Amino acid sequence: KQEVTQIPAALSVPEGENLVLNCSFTDSAIYNLQWFRQDPGKGLTSLLLIQSSQREQTSGRLNASLDKSSGRSTLYIAASQPGDSATYLCAVYQAGTALIFGKGTTLSVSS
Amino acid sequence: DTGVSQNPRHKITKRGQNVTFRCDPISEHNRLYWYRQTLGQGPEFLTYFQNEAQLEKSRLLSDRFSAERPKGSFSTLEIQRTEQGDSAMYLCASSLGGSLYEQYFGPGTRLTVT
Repeated sequence: KQEVTQIPAALSVPEGENLVLNCSFTDSAIYNLQWFRQDPGKGLTSLLLIQSSQREQTSGRLNASLDKSSGRSTLYIAASQPGDSATYLCAVYQAGTALIFGKGTTLSVSS
Repeated sequence: DTGVSQNPRHKITKRGQNVTFRCDPISEHNRLYWYRQTLGQGPEFLTYFQNEAQLEKSRLLSDRFSAERPKGSFSTLEIQRTEQGDSAMYLCASSLGGSLYEQYFGPGTRLTVT
């Protein structure tokens, strides 16, 4: 059974710092991996989608990498801002189950 | 592209009542997914549709839950005889296809069962 783990569960950083969020998964038979952002009480906003054949994707200050063989992905956020404060969720797509999510990392960026 | 919409945004109901939620996907998206999220957890997959066909159901989808997508457009999720354990955020997502495409989520429906 696929399990997705995100470390750390919570992270507090000062504005301007670069940071890395980690995601690991137990079954490498995935089709893709998607990173989301969720603000309190809101739905999910898609940040990046990495296909299983890709190694990384970039969007603005965000860069996500995927190492399928080791079951790991990282989300790198450059020059963090208070507006980046949210919960970041990682999810893997497998046949028959759609997306399987981790519990998320709650990020707080202080000004 | 107006995004995925869900109604109602909030629903408070008494235990034992039936509730129905609606999801309107992004137009031309043929895949529609339902997820459930409880506090402090990531969303959990419930079911999905390819056009009007319901292709997969999670073991979480007990016989009190039913979902439909008539004509492959909007979808409804009904919960019969609600229980306090059904209290959660119910999220809908849509995509152009399967694994190659991003899923876009709606704002969710927050259900509280008293």
